Amino acid sequence: DTGVSQDPRHKITKRGQNVTFRCDPISEHNRLYWYRQTLGQGPEFLTYFQNEAQLEKSRLLSDRFSAERPKGSFSTLEIQRTEQGDSAMYLCASRKGQVADGYTFGSGTRLTVV
Amino acid sequence: GDSVTQMEGPVTLSEEAFLTINCTYTATGYPSLFWYVQYPGEGLQLLLKATKADDKGSNKGFEATYRKETTSFHLEKGSVQVSDSAVYFCALSEGGSNTGKLIFGQGTTLQVKP
Repeated sequence: DTGVSQDPRHKITKRGQNVTFRCDPISEHNRLYWYRQTLGQGPEFLTYFQNEAQLEKSRLLSDRFSAERPKGSFSTLEIQRTEQGDSAMYLCASRKGQVADGYTFGSGTRLTVV
Repeated sequence: GDSVTQMEGPVTLSEEAFLTINCTYTATGYPSLFWYVQYPGEGLQLLLKATKADDKGSNKGFEATYRKETTSFHLEKGSVQVSDSAVYFCALSEGGSNTGKLIFGQGTTLQVKP
C-alpha cells in the first residue's frame, strides 16, 4: 500500500493556459474522488468515479474542467483556459468498499494561476 | 443539503491543556461522521470516525461521540502536545448517497504552545 499519489505537487501557470493533474489511487480502491480546497476552507467535492465510470459531478465543475479515469486505474483532472479563481489545492481521494472503511487522501496538487 | 459547521479558530492552547473543537451537522439521512487532520503542506489524514448514533471514535488520544439528538460530533483530547498543531476538519458522508462523497466543515486551526 503506497498510498494515493498526486502529480505534480505544485503547478504555476499563466491565466488562459491548460493544466492537467494526475492521481494514482491505492490499487485495490475502485472509488476515486476529486476535491478542491481553497485557502482557509474545507475541501469541496468536485467529481466521483466508480471504476472507470464518472458517476457524479458537482456544480463547481464548470465546462472548463474535465476528469477521466481510463481503465479504472489512475485519474486525470484537466482545467482548460485557467482563471485566477482556479487557484486552489486539488485533492484526490480513494476508497474501497463501504463508506465506513474510510478514505485515503493524496497530498494534493497546489495550483497557482498568475 | 447536508452541511457541517465547526467552531471558528484559531484555537491556541498551552501544552497539556484540554481540547474541545465543536462540530455540528445537518443531514437528511444517517451519515457517517469523520474527523480529518491536515498538517502544513500535506493532505488530509483520517483521525477518527463513527458510523452510527452513540458510537465513539478514538485515535491517538482524540475522541468524538456521534450524538444524534444534538447533531454533534465534538472532538476532544485530554492533554494536547505541540505536535498536535494542525488544521482539523469535521466531515460527514451523506447517508443516502450512492457516491459516499464527503461534506467538510471549514476547518479549525489548532496551535499548541510549549
